[in-house]
Amino acid sequence: KAGVTQTPRYLIKTRGQQVTLSCSPISGHRSVSWYQQTPGQGLQFLFEYFSETQRNKGNFPGRFSGRQFSNSRSEMNVSTLELGDSALYLCASRQERGAGETQYFGPGTRLLVL
Amino acid sequence: EDQVTQSPEALRLQEGESSSLNCSYTVSGLRGLFWYRQDPGKGPEFLFTLYSAGEEKEKERLKATLTKKESFLHITAPKPEDSATYLCAVQVTGANNLFFGTGTRLTVIP
Repeated sequence: KAGVTQTPRYLIKTRGQQVTLSCSPISGHRSVSWYQQTPGQGLQFLFEYFSETQRNKGNFPGRFSGRQFSNSRSEMNVSTLELGDSALYLCASRQERGAGETQYFGPGTRLLVL
Repeated sequence: EDQVTQSPEALRLQEGESSSLNCSYTVSGLRGLFWYRQDPGKGPEFLFTLYSAGEEKEKERLKATLTKKESFLHITAPKPEDSATYLCAVQVTGANNLFFGTGTRLTVIP
């Protein structure tokens, strides 16, 4: 079974631009979560989507948004990019069978904001 | 406030020298504790899930244990290919997201 895939793998943008990242979950997985990883803050939760609805949101500004499609694929968007948005953005999926279920991560998208 | 603390931050071992990584947590209610391995430039790779105190899980040279306050990842006779950052995460009651520690960077020297 194919794992979580993320595109693109690398991105370079300039301040003020916007960016869209894509995530395809493992087949059959209906929940998709997004995390930001930086050397200073580690892995931090951005938001979770299930059945095309945002179910949970972390402590990030409104410039960070996302959506989920009917096939469970998800996108996240960052508008008005800042230097501090440079990070590895990780997507994780799970089946949504119950509490404490394992999340499986994709390879990430490395975003560099200049 | 929920907290996850991993120690040490970095660990250097000789090949074959066994050791343990620690993950201590303070949470309102634990749904599950997860261990992941992350290689540079890659996404975290799932290792173990532990749900209740006293639970243990093993995989090759790795063994994870859980108490009411902490979890240990024991590495027996490590090899250079075990070099990676090991991440501990908790899922708390009422939430679906994972709350991560900052990781332990393990280097195994041949």
